[in-house]
Amino acid sequence: AQKVTQAQTEISVVEKEDVTLDCVYETRDTTYYLFWYKQPPSGELVFLIRRNSFDEQNEISGRYSWNFQKSTSSFNFTITASQVVDSAVYFCALKGVEKLTFGTGTRLTIIP
Amino acid sequence: NAGVTQTPKFQVLKTGQSMTLQCAQDMNHNSMYWYRQDPGMGLRLIYYSASEGTTDKGEVPNGYNVSRLNKREFSLRLESAAPSQTSVYFCASSETGTLNEKLFFGSGTQLSVL
Repeated sequence: AQKVTQAQTEISVVEKEDVTLDCVYETRDTTYYLFWYKQPPSGELVFLIRRNSFDEQNEISGRYSWNFQKSTSSFNFTITASQVVDSAVYFCALKGVEKLTFGTGTRLTIIP
Repeated sequence: NAGVTQTPKFQVLKTGQSMTLQCAQDMNHNSMYWYRQDPGMGLRLIYYSASEGTTDKGEVPNGYNVSRLNKREFSLRLESAAPSQTSVYFCASSETGTLNEKLFFGSGTQLSVL
């Protein structure tokens, strides 16, 4: 069975600080995809990024960056120069042969 | 663009009552899903429909039934609600249900069963 662990339940940082959200996964599949979703206070989950198991290149999109390391089965998400609008619950997810499996989420609060 | 629309947004039921959560998508997606979100447990799949006319159980199907009415609509029914079904329910869709697809989510239904 596959599993996604987000050990950080809640994180609070002061605006403009950098913050990293951790995601560790388990799977026996050789081909799989990893995702991050954002759930703002409005409630609707929004897709942020998708990464396949064969592509370990890090990705940067504006203030967001993702570090995928197969050696440690991790797919961490960093927000640089955080802003109040980044306050949300962030979910990491894994899809292999089985259906999509979500982690328990990390609630991020950015303090003005 | 509406995307995925869920109704109602909020609902309070008494134990034993029944209700149907409605979901519709306007993106011509083949696959649709129902998830529930509970504190400390992330999102868990209740049922999914890979394509029109098919439905399959997910991780936590007990106490629920679904109907894929047509390509656009996928409803979730609670026949006899229980307090353990108090949760936030999300409908989602994806284009084909394949390995690498992202999901599009509705805004959720907050259900309380007293």
